[in-house]
Amino acid sequence: NAGVTQTPKFQVLKTGQSMTLQCAQDMNHNSMYWYRQDPGMGLRLIYYSASEGTTDKGEVPNGYNVSRLNKREFSLRLESAAPSQTSVYFCASSGRGGGEDQYFGPGTRLLVL
Amino acid sequence: LAKTTQPISMDSYEGQEVNITCSHNNIATNDYITWYQQFPSQGPRFIIQGYKTKVTNEVASLFIPADRKSSTLSLPRVSLSDTAVYYCLVGSSGAGSYQLTFGKGTKLSVIP
Repeated sequence: NAGVTQTPKFQVLKTGQSMTLQCAQDMNHNSMYWYRQDPGMGLRLIYYSASEGTTDKGEVPNGYNVSRLNKREFSLRLESAAPSQTSVYFCASSGRGGGEDQYFGPGTRLLVL
Repeated sequence: LAKTTQPISMDSYEGQEVNITCSHNNIATNDYITWYQQFPSQGPRFIIQGYKTKVTNEVASLFIPADRKSSTLSLPRVSLSDTAVYYCLVGSSGAGSYQLTFGKGTKLSVIP
């Protein structure tokens, strides 16, 4: 039981490049989330998926797209990376949603030059 | 969205009780309050959750006053391994729509 896994662990991009961050959970959770964490800013919700087949914007969705591929997998795509997207990205899942306790992955550290 | 405010940092000696307060003045009726712990280079980890009054588990207690405009995480007899950043999260769900707001975190340093 691996919980929530994320790939890659670290990535360097040039401005304008695209990439997809992958997330998978093996806890049969319905809800999944993508957050970004910047120094002094805490965690901010980018997108979430309340259940398979649905996605919704969070607090900071601009510049990102998501896909809930199936119940296990939820990917985050940067179509044209910008230096402002340099951050640590965390994926999380929860059995129910909203305020319920979430299980977080180890994070992806992204540097955009 | 409910806005949350926490102290930026706190120091405590080993063996003391630590109380970290989170302010959430415009909390909604459906919102729950959840606290997470985060170590460097790791994702946050769930500590405790509550809606009102007091909740206790094996690692912490959560106190929520009747007006629910604040909450206090209490860690009994902290040790060096409790040095971490603690986040409060105010959030709710309804009809598939989630409102989730993390505080900016409180960095707790436990001193020997």
